Amino acid sequence: AQKITQTQPGMFVQEKEAVTLDCTYDTSDPSYGLFWYKQPSSGEMIFLIYQGSYDQQNATEGRYSLNFQKARKSANLVISASQLGDSAMYFCAMREGGDNFNKFYFGSGTKLNVKP
Amino acid sequence: EPEVTQTPSHQVTQMGQEVILRCVPISNHLYFYWYRQILGQKVEFLVSFYNNEISEKSEIFDDQFSVERPDGSNFTLKIRSTKLEDSAMYFCASSALSGDSYNEQFFGPGTRLTVL
Repeated sequence: AQKITQTQPGMFVQEKEAVTLDCTYDTSDPSYGLFWYKQPSSGEMIFLIYQGSYDQQNATEGRYSLNFQKARKSANLVISASQLGDSAMYFCAMREGGDNFNKFYFGSGTKLNVKP
Repeated sequence: EPEVTQTPSHQVTQMGQEVILRCVPISNHLYFYWYRQILGQKVEFLVSFYNNEISEKSEIFDDQFSVERPDGSNFTLKIRSTKLEDSAMYFCASSALSGDSYNEQFFGPGTRLTVL
């Protein structure tokens, strides 16, 4: 089974609108971390936001927020007030286990296009 | 702000040749990783490295691959005899020894390897 599933290969959003990028995960470990990374066309991976499995509150970082629904095993990224510069690939990733140096599992990504 | 650097940004090689991809992790980080991303696909874990030895490796990381930290700053990935299917973007990442569950991995800009 896939550890991380991103079901939206591509998404379009109008500039200044909000958009939700879906991510579901699969783990039996009670301790895990969920990450979102942005990959612009230049190729680098930019960290956006983190949610720990024991965190009670949904994570927020500026225009990014994470809609964490533990029972559903989903960790959707919400980008508010989209900007043209948000056009990129977005990857959801998970680190399993209590050791915070464990490897990441990545999803297949969602390509977001922001329209002017 | 400290960052992970990788050289070269693009490497073209003939099938069967050896390549060495170089990374300089963030200076106070202790955990190092290599990931790869075949064009259009998800990012996949290759190997993690700590305390001068491999912590974990994936099925992809076979005998053709090796990693080394030859000095206090560089972290290298060697592919002994490249195959066409080794063509991918290779990302180096590093993380600190941290008590926080957060402990993100910082990714380098990647080396695009093209095997002809």
